[in-house]
Amino acid sequence: ETGVTQTPRHLVMGMTNKKSLKCEQHLGHNAMYWYKQSAKKPLELMFVYNFKEQTENNSVPSRFSPECPNSSHLFLHLHTLQPEDSALYLCASSQEGQGAAQPQHFGDGTRLSIL
Amino acid sequence: GQNIDQPTEMTATEGAIVQINCTYQTSGFNGLFWYQQHAGEAPTFLSYNVLDGLEEKGRFSSFLSRSKGYSYLLLKELQMKDSASYLCAVLDSNYQLIWGAGTKLIIKP
Repeated sequence: ETGVTQTPRHLVMGMTNKKSLKCEQHLGHNAMYWYKQSAKKPLELMFVYNFKEQTENNSVPSRFSPECPNSSHLFLHLHTLQPEDSALYLCASSQEGQGAAQPQHFGDGTRLSIL
Repeated sequence: GQNIDQPTEMTATEGAIVQINCTYQTSGFNGLFWYQQHAGEAPTFLSYNVLDGLEEKGRFSSFLSRSKGYSYLLLKELQMKDSASYLCAVLDSNYQLIWGAGTKLIIKP
């Protein structure tokens, strides 16, 4: 079982669809993150959860809605996305949340394409 | 604003040595990370530097100069499997991670 698992690996959806991305970590970490990765651009932090509480929302449009039911699971609900939202969405976890200098462990990401 | 600069792409030969540079301008500094990301895969942690100097870990070494806002990742005895993107990220004074756009390293036989 890999440390951080993301499903699905690939997703193609229309602009009016509703879908969800799932992330699960098996490392016993307390913090989880959603990032957006676009080609040749730096990773963009979207949301941070620390002990299931959302501690960061970096001005992300409301068409992205995160959910963290427990410290091992993180979801990203998608609704009415735009073509510019096509990207690789990465989930990560760390032992503690922001405020600690610890490496983050990433999943392989979901490649999202908006038609 | 906060900024991380690293070359977009580099090419090196199998068996050789390559140095990937990263310069940063951030609000404070609480350490610098290097990650490796193979195409279609997760970024994986390589190194963390918070004090000046060179940290060696097998074929990979990472150097930091805080006064110059500069780091490099040194890869020795290059192997084909080292073809990947290398991401530099700095932890600022608020412990926010500021990411560079990554350096794509191409290894040729």
